[in-house]
Amino acid sequence: KQEVTQIPAALSVPEGENLVLNCSFTDSAIYNLQWFRQDPGKGLTSLLLIQSSQREQTSGRLNASLDKSSGRSTLYIAASQPGDSATYLCAVIGQAGTALIFGKGTTLSVSS
Amino acid sequence: DAGVIQSPRHEVTEMGQEVTLRCKPISGHDYLFWYRQTMMRGLELLIYFNNNVPIDDSGMPEDRFSAKMPNASFSTLKIQPSEPRDSAVYFCASSLAGGNYEQYFGPGTRLTVT
Repeated sequence: KQEVTQIPAALSVPEGENLVLNCSFTDSAIYNLQWFRQDPGKGLTSLLLIQSSQREQTSGRLNASLDKSSGRSTLYIAASQPGDSATYLCAVIGQAGTALIFGKGTTLSVSS
Repeated sequence: DAGVIQSPRHEVTEMGQEVTLRCKPISGHDYLFWYRQTMMRGLELLIYFNNNVPIDDSGMPEDRFSAKMPNASFSTLKIQPSEPRDSAVYFCASSLAGGNYEQYFGPGTRLTVT
């Protein structure tokens, strides 16, 4: 059974720092991996999707990498801002057209 | 597109009452998912549909939960009778096979059962 783990559970950094959020999964046979952002009391916003054949995806200050063989993904946030404060969730799909399996998330707090 | 639409956004009900949650997926999407989020268990799948047909309902807790998708633009999740342990945020998401199955989430329904 696929399990997704995110470390750390919480992270506090000062504004301007570059940071890395980690995601690991137990079964390397995935179809794709998605990173989401969730603000308190809100829904999930898709940040990046990496297909199993890809190594990384970039969007603005965000860069997500995927090492399928080792069961790991990282989300790199450059020059963090207070507006980046949120919970970041990692999720994988095992096969095309199946449901996402989520990690518990990393709650990020960026102080000004 | 308006995105995935869910209603109501908040629902407070008493134990034993019937609750119906509603979802309108993004137009043209052929997959629809219902997830539940709790502090203890995080986000978990309840059920999902492909072209209006239920594919996997293994996450539905028990017979008190039922879901339907009568057409491509509407789905319901019903809880009858509701219990306090059903209190959670229920999310609906949709995706498109031709879009790498990227899932888009609605704003969620926060359910409180007293």
